[in-house]
Amino acid sequence: EIVLTQSPGTLSLSPGERASLSCRASQSVSSSYLAWYQQKPGQAPRLLISGASSRATGIPDRFSGSGSGTDFTLTISRLEPEDFAVYYCQQYGSSLLTFGGGTKVEIK
Amino acid sequence: EVQLVESGGGLVQPGGSLRLSCAASGFPFSGHVMSWVRQAPGKGLEWVSAISGSGDSIYYADSVKGRFTISRDNSKNTLYLQMNSLRAEDTAVYYCAAARGFLRSFDIWGQGTVVTVSS
Repeated sequence: EIVLTQSPGTLSLSPGERASLSCRASQSVSSSYLAWYQQKPGQAPRLLISGASSRATGIPDRFSGSGSGTDFTLTISRLEPEDFAVYYCQQYGSSLLTFGGGTKVEIK
Repeated sequence: EVQLVESGGGLVQPGGSLRLSCAASGFPFSGHVMSWVRQAPGKGLEWVSAISGSGDSIYYADSVKGRFTISRDNSKNTLYLQMNSLRAEDTAVYYCAAARGFLRSFDIWGQGTVVTVSS
């Protein structure tokens, strides 16, 4: 099983600031089969990024993903009020899918 | 409208059983790999099980293997999760999610159904 470790656990930032979220895998993620999801309280997760760097339909370009192998990053270039939420990475390159523990982006 | 609607959650005693359903609409259900993902109160997401479009390929997380059974009825556009021998640690919101194949991300999610295992 591939274990995903997200850091930091909580990120305290102000609107307009840049956010960088890390996701590290215990072993290489095949062909960058890595996704990022956003979840707001009381809501289902929403797909942001797939294939490590491809934005899903309708996702603003302030969201970007990068990385390969075992190190991946989600960057939000300028935080909007609606971006404060919890973000999860997920690998889907093996038959046993796994999620990271999440990073909460909160208003400073 | 693309939609997944879960049902069947509720309160059940430890050792009991429950069957969840997920009704799909607005997309080619039989062409999608379907999964169950759960989230314990205040915790992160945990993948539970996945089933191929035809139902021929099935995978389970170790935490539920032997206790949970995933299935689908493509004629009814419905996904199921039969949960037996339930434990307190199975308490969670259960989401169904759709992907366009194995090796694809979940691009459609339901709103979830709550399962509480308690005496």
